[in-house]
Amino acid sequence: DVKVTQSSRYLVKRTGEKVFLECVQDMDHENMFWYRQDPGLGLRLIYFSYDVKMKEKGDIPEGYSVSREKKERFSLILESASTNQTSMYLCASSRGQGNSPLHFGNGTRLTVT
Amino acid sequence: GQSLEQPSEVTAVEGAIVQINCTYQTSGFYGLSWYQQHDGGAPTFLSYNALDGLEETGRFSSFLSRSDSYGYLLLQELQMKDSASYFCAVLNTGGFKTIFGAGTRLFVKA
Repeated sequence: DVKVTQSSRYLVKRTGEKVFLECVQDMDHENMFWYRQDPGLGLRLIYFSYDVKMKEKGDIPEGYSVSREKKERFSLILESASTNQTSMYLCASSRGQGNSPLHFGNGTRLTVT
Repeated sequence: GQSLEQPSEVTAVEGAIVQINCTYQTSGFYGLSWYQQHDGGAPTFLSYNALDGLEETGRFSSFLSRSDSYGYLLLQELQMKDSASYFCAVLNTGGFKTIFGAGTRLFVKA
């Protein structure tokens, strides 16, 4: 079974802090994704990566950056956390191109105060 | 732009059949997926349609009409454990990028 592991289940940070969300997958998947999930808005794509050191902006990249130095690890960085970044963050991975399904981690509930 | 529309809530009784519709507007369409998410859990993949027609997987079926930019998820013989949120999602941009709808909350009553 594919395992996608997010480093924290719950996180509380202060406004202006730099925040790192870590995600690791163990199935040698090429693609990795960061989504945020908010009530009534579904899952919105922040960034994705289809190869090591490659990254593409999703639909809401503002205020975020990502890093993929190794194939199994994809990090989401909030350079200066703001209260409107309080959300559930979901990491996912998939294999190759096409209809390979997304495998999600259990999410990180981030609260910015 | 791109958008997906699906109902926000559906309620049905145990043993019944329910259909969750999804219409989409997107460029570079590759296929339509469905995901299920229980409260507090991660989304899990249910089905994928790249071509027109019906795909059946046990009690769940998914349909796609590319000409109508429309699809649906059909759940048969509903069980209480089917109470969850269901998301339609479009795969585009060369088959890498998956965009999700806002989700449909399904309530199954006894």
